[in-house]
Amino acid sequence: AQTVTQSQPEMSVQEAETVTLSCTYDTSESNYYLFWYKQPPSRQMILVIRQEAYKQQNATENRFSVNFQKAAKSFSLKISDSQLGDTAMYFCAFMKSIGSNYKLTFGKGTLLTVNP
Amino acid sequence: GAGVSQSPRYKVTKRGQDVALRCDPISGHVSLYWYRQALGQGPEFLTYFNYEAQQDKSGLPNDRFSAERPEGSISTLTIQRTEQRDSAMYRCASSLYWDRDLTGELFFGEGSRLTVL
Repeated sequence: AQTVTQSQPEMSVQEAETVTLSCTYDTSESNYYLFWYKQPPSRQMILVIRQEAYKQQNATENRFSVNFQKAAKSFSLKISDSQLGDTAMYFCAFMKSIGSNYKLTFGKGTLLTVNP
Repeated sequence: GAGVSQSPRYKVTKRGQDVALRCDPISGHVSLYWYRQALGQGPEFLTYFNYEAQQDKSGLPNDRFSAERPEGSISTLTIQRTEQRDSAMYRCASSLYWDRDLTGELFFGEGSRLTVL
């Protein structure tokens, strides 16, 4: 079974600075997808960024980028120029890409607070 | 609809009662997922469907939990003989059928918060 570990329960950053959230995962699959989801105080679940394991290039979405290290099974999220609206729980998630079962497995989350 | 719709948004029930939680996915979305999320925790997978077929129910905690999606659209998660430990946010998500060449993004509903007294 796949597991996703987020070792930082809470983090804080000053507005306009950069912060990196860590995520490691354990799988025997060679092809899979990785995601970061954001859950603001409204408790919506919002997709931030995704990465296909077969792609070597790190995904980037505006101020959000990932550092994907496949051999190390590490998938960290970097938020540049942090904004107050980035305050949220951030969940790392894994989905395998083989067969017909595409279950998404989440980590326990990191609570990020952006301070003014 | 425009988004994933869940009802009821809030449900308070007494221990031992049955509850049914409804999910109306985005129109045309083939895959539908149920997750449970305790406060301060990540979503925990319960079960998922492609069309009306239940693909995986390995996350259902016990036989008091069941789900159906009879016509491949609306789904109902039923919890029989509720217990206090069932209290949580129950989230539904839908996506286009996952394929390597498709986005496959999961769109989540706002959830149904269940409180068992």
